[in-house]
Amino acid sequence: AQKVTQAQTEISVVEKEDVTLDCVYETRDTTYYLFWYKQPPSGELVFLIRRNSFDEQNEISGRYSWNFQKSTSSFNFTITASQVVDSAVYFCALATHYTGANSKLTFGKGITLSVRP
Amino acid sequence: NAGVTQTPKFQVLKTGQSMTLQCAQDMNHEYMSWYRQDPGMGLRLIHYSVGAGITDQGEVPNGYNVSRSTTEDFPLRLLSAAPSQTSVYFCASSYLSRGGNTEAFFGQGTRLTVV
Repeated sequence: AQKVTQAQTEISVVEKEDVTLDCVYETRDTTYYLFWYKQPPSGELVFLIRRNSFDEQNEISGRYSWNFQKSTSSFNFTITASQVVDSAVYFCALATHYTGANSKLTFGKGITLSVRP
Repeated sequence: NAGVTQTPKFQVLKTGQSMTLQCAQDMNHEYMSWYRQDPGMGLRLIHYSVGAGITDQGEVPNGYNVSRSTTEDFPLRLLSAAPSQTSVYFCASSYLSRGGNTEAFFGQGTRLTVV
């Protein structure tokens, strides 16, 4: 069985603060994929990043960075210098590696991020 | 590019009514899925398909049927609507690339209220 835990439910920060969203996952598979999605108030799901279990290289993209650590089963997401437009619900998701597995995502419950001006 | 298209965007049903939520994708993706999103629950998988003619149950399949007669379409049928099925429904498609599983592409969602 797979599980994704996003222990933080709501985070509120003031604009320009850095914020880290935590994600801890559980899976027995040795090959798997992790994702972060953003859901702004308009409701659509926006893909942010995918990371394979065999690629632990962390990534920075503009104000976003991701920290993937297999040793602690964590895939955390940091927003640097947050902006009001970052206000959204952020979901971490997991898929195992077999044909069609990405049709079966396991999602965390999401973290509601509010960025105040 | 249309991507994944869901219709309708909003729907109100009376308890006991049946209806079909439509989902179509124009990206020739093999894999399609239906999820429901409830407050504080994240997204939960209802049904999924790994190709035309092949479907299987997800985490919360009760009260829903699906079929996949073509690669493009994956309709979700509510057999007899219940208030517990009030939710936001998302359809998604994806494919297997050389680099492994890709991200899922989501439709805009259907907000369903059962009264």
